[in-house]
Amino acid sequence: NAGVTQTPKFQVLKTGQSMTLQCAQDMNHEYMSWYRQDPGMGLRLIHYSVGAGITDQGEVPNGYNVSRSTTEDFPLRLLSAAPSQTSVYFCASRHRAGGTYEQYFGPGTRLTVT
Amino acid sequence: RKEVEQDPGPFNVPEGATVAFNCTYSNSASQSFFWYRQDCRKEPKLLMSVYSSGNEDGRFTAQLNRASQYISLLIRDSKLSDSATYLCVVRRDAGNMLTFGGGTRLMVKP
Repeated sequence: NAGVTQTPKFQVLKTGQSMTLQCAQDMNHEYMSWYRQDPGMGLRLIHYSVGAGITDQGEVPNGYNVSRSTTEDFPLRLLSAAPSQTSVYFCASRHRAGGTYEQYFGPGTRLTVT
Repeated sequence: RKEVEQDPGPFNVPEGATVAFNCTYSNSASQSFFWYRQDCRKEPKLLMSVYSSGNEDGRFTAQLNRASQYISLLIRDSKLSDSATYLCVVRRDAGNMLTFGGGTRLMVKP
């Protein structure tokens, strides 16, 4: 059981480049989210999805796009990378309602934009 | 004002000590509360949920005070392996979203 997987683990981009961070989960979770974590700022929600075909903006969505064509995959696209997007990105998933609301995180992608 | 606030620390304590962290939240409509643990350069993982009546899991005790809108985590008999950042997490019913505090860093010394 792989849980939540993310690729790549590390990435360096130049300003203006675009790229996609991949996220997949094999737990049949309805709810998937992308967060960024910066020192002193905690985890901030970028985008989330409550099911295939449904996405919504979180707290800091500007500069990022998402799509959810399947239950398993939730890629995050950086449209035109900026140094302010240097951060650690975590993908997470959980069941939409009920239970403990436990959120499972991927191992993170460390992104540097120069 | 941040929706979930924590003292960033670090809290430096000797092995065997008891240490307590508090977390305050601003939205009175918050429904569920959790503590997550994050090791250095790793992903966060659920430590425990926080129930209205308070709950205990081994050396860890969590308390909720809805009137004052704060959550606490008490760690007894600290171990070196408890060194980590502890994240306070709150779920609002609207949107069913989780909001994370900035975390409190704990360092347990021999």
